[in-house]
Amino acid sequence: DIQMTQSPSSLFASVGDRVTITCRASQGINNYLAWYQQKPGKVPKLLIFAASTLQSGVPSRFSGSGSGTDFALTISSLQPEDVATYYCQKYNSAPLTFGGGTKVEIK
Amino acid sequence: EVQVLESGGGLVQPGGSLRLSCAASGFTFRMYAMSWVRQAPGKGLEWVSGISGSGGTSNYADTVKGRFTISRDNSKNTLFLQMNSLRDEDTALYYCAKSENPYIGSNLRDWGQGTLVTVSS
Repeated sequence: DIQMTQSPSSLFASVGDRVTITCRASQGINNYLAWYQQKPGKVPKLLIFAASTLQSGVPSRFSGSGSGTDFALTISSLQPEDVATYYCQKYNSAPLTFGGGTKVEIK
Repeated sequence: EVQVLESGGGLVQPGGSLRLSCAASGFTFRMYAMSWVRQAPGKGLEWVSGISGSGGTSNYADTVKGRFTISRDNSKNTLFLQMNSLRDEDTALYYCAKSENPYIGSNLRDWGQGTLVTVSS
């Protein structure tokens, strides 16, 4: 099975900083990659699908990039409401494996 | 409005069984694959199982294969997860999630609030 590795596992950044989270697949998955945001005590929310397509209603400061095995989620200007854990997920075929998550906190 | 509502969680002893349900509304249920995703306390997300819109195809994570069975009743807009031979490590919040199409290989846009399963003696 394909493994999904996220880095870093956690980060602290200041409001207004540019934040980048990476996700690496152990084999190529084309662009079948989604990103989810999970705020503390809340249900996961789809942010990006097809590696770079923003889900409707998601702020434009979020963006996704990559294809094949290497992907990134970027927050162009971190806001206090972005404090959350972010997960990548591959969905080219089952199992629909998630990455281990990246916890984003404000410095 | 798409809604999925899980039920059936609870406390069960190791080796026991439990059946989770997920009632769906606001969309044509048979047109979409569905998945179960779980989250152990303080841990990350783990995809558990998925089933195609027709119910003809299902897949499982290795950690539950042979113990869990996913099924659906398209006439009742309901998804199920039969969990047997439960272990301590199955303790988690179990989410029901809707795919974007009839196939299991899809991102998950809509999620329920989850139902808590606790396996403990």
